[in-house]
Amino acid sequence: AQTVTQSQPEMSVQEAETVTLSCTYDTSESDYYLFWYKQPPSRQMILVIRQEAYKQQNATENRFSVNFQKAAKSFSLKISDSQLGDAAMYFCAYRRSNAGNNRKLIWGLGTSLGVNP
Amino acid sequence: DAGVTQSPTHLIKTRGQQVTLRCSPKSGHDTVSWYQQALGQGPQFIFQYYEEEERQRGNFPDRFSGHQFPNYSSELNVNALLLGDSALYLCASSRRDRGRRVTGELFFGEGSRLTVL
Repeated sequence: AQTVTQSQPEMSVQEAETVTLSCTYDTSESDYYLFWYKQPPSRQMILVIRQEAYKQQNATENRFSVNFQKAAKSFSLKISDSQLGDAAMYFCAYRRSNAGNNRKLIWGLGTSLGVNP
Repeated sequence: DAGVTQSPTHLIKTRGQQVTLRCSPKSGHDTVSWYQQALGQGPQFIFQYYEEEERQRGNFPDRFSGHQFPNYSSELNVNALLLGDSALYLCASSRRDRGRRVTGELFFGEGSRLTVL
């Protein structure tokens, strides 16, 4: 069975600085998707960034980028120029890609990110 | 363009009661998934509906049931409530991709916070 592990329950960063959140996963599949979702106090899960396992290039979305190490099964999120609005729970999630319309996500326990002014 | 909407946002029930939660998917989406998120945990997959049928189910007892209507909206029903059912219930919608590679992105509502006393 696939699992997702986030080993940092809490992190903090100074405004304008850079922070990296860690995520490791376990799967026997070769083709899959990885996601980082943000959950602010409003509770709504918001997609931050998506990585397809067959792509070697690391995904980037503005200030957010990932370091995808497929062999090591590692998928870390880097937030550059941190802003107060980045404070939230961040969840790493996995999904098989050869699953047709099966969109079940497997989630880590999350990392609570605080941003200090 | 309305996103995923859920109702009610908060509700309190007592043990043994029954509850119905509702979800309207994002415009253009035909697939609805339900997740349970206990406090301090990542979401756990309950089940997924499309074409008005349950297509996949997570490790939840039969007390959890659902329905999807012709307009793609969905309900989650929980019978014989237990204290452990207290959680945030998230609805996620997506669009089935027929014959194409699935990107896997889910759009979430803000959730329904259920408290069982």
